Parts: sequence; structure tokens; C-alpha cells
Amino acid sequence: GAVVSQHPSWVICKSGTSVKIECRSLDFQATTMFWYRQFPKQSLMLMATSNEGSKATYEQGVEKDKFLINHASLTLSTLTVTSAHPEDSSFYICSARDYLETQYFGPGTRLLVL
Amino acid sequence: AQSVSQHNHHVILSEAASLELGCNYSYGGTVNLFWYVQYPGQHLQLLLKYFSGDPLVKGIKGFEAEFIKSKFSFNLRKPSVQWSDTAEYFCAVNVAGGGADGLTFGKGTHLIIQP
Repeated sequence: GAVVSQHPSWVICKSGTSVKIECRSLDFQATTMFWYRQFPKQSLMLMATSNEGSKATYEQGVEKDKFLINHASLTLSTLTVTSAHPEDSSFYICSARDYLETQYFGPGTRLLVL
Repeated sequence: AQSVSQHNHHVILSEAASLELGCNYSYGGTVNLFWYVQYPGQHLQLLLKYFSGDPLVKGIKGFEAEFIKSKFSFNLRKPSVQWSDTAEYFCAVNVAGGGADGLTFGKGTHLIIQP
């Protein structure tokens, strides 16, 4: 149980394009999902909290217009990196929180912006 | 805001050795504590968690951790490691009862077990 999937697993795009990443909780409902970013050989940094049916909450320093989050259902949250630039290249990881306040993580999406 | 410190960035052990990875946090209130493991090429997996109650918690794969409130610590232990324990280990915290509170992670400890 408690499986979280992400799609795509990796994506390469040109600078200036937008990229959408999906995060799904496969066997449980998650009113809250989280998006993290992990740089090479570093830890995960929380970007934003995604709440079903309401606006996302962004951490300080994260541009909400750059990283659009939509949590349209209890099993799906999407992160759209708008007008991506090379500095946005990173490993993006989502997690879904169950009713016991435990977060389960997806496998991550590696984004490379050329 | 809370912060997490993992003192050992790289640890190399031989099989059957005992393991203890340090984790300290700073926060003025009550926290939930977690250890996650990331095997090479895989995603983060929950090893164990502490919310309340018995400060000694047992997780999967023979791991355990002890919460010592007075020391703000949540060290991870395993009495006898195996080669398959080679991985990156992350300690994380969030605010207890915070509902939709994201995790704050330590920088991770890269554990290498030599056969």
C-alpha cells in the first residue's frame, strides 16, 4: 500500500517551454501533497504544499508564477514549470500525505532544460 | 522554522558492524520525526517514524531509532548491517499536529557497506 507515482520520470525540453509533472497516489486518497526539489548530492527542499480544492502554499523564495500547482482531485496533483530555463533543471519529487500524517514519496522526475 | 542536522555525511562500515547515524533537530515545539532511505536509483522509502509514545521505535529491515527529547535527537541504529543497506539515509521532521506541514530534511548520510 501507500504507492505514489510520478509521470514522466524524466523530461528534456528547450528553454522557454512549459513542462507538466503529474503526481498520483495510487491506493489512498491524499488531501495534501507536497512538491520537493533535490539538487545533485543534496537533500530535498520543500517547494510547496498542494491542497485539494484550494490554492497551493509556496515556501519562501519559490516563485508561484513559475511553478504552477493544481490539486484537482484527492489522488492527483500537477506541477507545471512555466517558461523553463536551464537553472530549473533538477530532480522534482512529490509526496502524498495519508490520514496518519505520513508522507509517501514518488520516484521523482528528472528535468533537463536545454 | 525547524532545522535538521545529520552529522555524518559519509559512513563506511563492514558487513555485520553496528550502525548509528546521528540526527538532531531544532524546533521549540513538538515535532514528528522520520527516517527515510533512498537506495541507489530508487525513490525515498519510509524506514520508521515517531509521533508520540514509546521513544524507541522499530522500523523495517531491522532498523530502530530512539527519540531523546532532552537532546533533540533521533538517532538511527541497526545492530548488524548488511551489504544491501548501502544507501542514502535522510532524517526529517515536521511540526506535530501541523496537518499539512511539509518535511524539513537533513542533508543525508551516504552509507557504504563493504562486503
